Amino acid sequence: KQEVTQIPAALSVPEGENLVLNCSFTDSAIYNLQWFRQDPGKGLTSLLLIQSSQREQTSGRLNASLDKSSGRSTLYIAASQPGDSATYLCAVRQVGGNTGKLIFGQGTTLQVKP
Amino acid sequence: DTAVSQTPKYLVTQMGNDKSIKCEQNLGHDTMYWYKQDSKKFLKIMFSYNNKELIINETVPNRFSPKSPDKAHLNLHINSLELGDSAVYFCASSRLFSTEAFFGQGTRLTVV
Repeated sequence: KQEVTQIPAALSVPEGENLVLNCSFTDSAIYNLQWFRQDPGKGLTSLLLIQSSQREQTSGRLNASLDKSSGRSTLYIAASQPGDSATYLCAVRQVGGNTGKLIFGQGTTLQVKP
Repeated sequence: DTAVSQTPKYLVTQMGNDKSIKCEQNLGHDTMYWYKQDSKKFLKIMFSYNNKELIINETVPNRFSPKSPDKAHLNLHINSLELGDSAVYFCASSRLFSTEAFFGQGTRLTVV
């Protein structure tokens, strides 16, 4: 059974710092991994999607890496800003079944202090 | 234009009532989902629909009945609401099973 874990559960950093959020999964048979951002009381915003054949994806100050064999992904945020404060969720999509089902981690709540 | 929209955003109701949540996507996607986020913020899939057909039902009580009148809509009807149904319900869609998923803004259901 696939399990997705995100460490740390919460993180507080000063503005301008580079930071890394971690996501690990127990079953490497995945189609892809997706990173989301959730602001309090809001929906999920898709940040990056990495296919199983890819090693990394970049969007602006965000860079996500994937090491499928070791069951790990990281989300790197460069030059963090107070507006980056949110909960970051990673989710994997399993191979097989053709359901599109995403299995989520518990999230990392990030606070960037001015 | 909102890609995935849900109504209502907030829903407060008494135990035993029946309620519906509506979801619409204007992305032309074939696959739609309902997810539940519990009080600990953990997100778990409930249903997956492809071209109006139910693909998965993740051991959800049969008080929950999704209905997809067309590819762009997936509604969730809940009968005999219980306190434990209080949660945030998210609708999502993707073009194919394996492509990027887009989520609605959520419906916060509170059963009193």
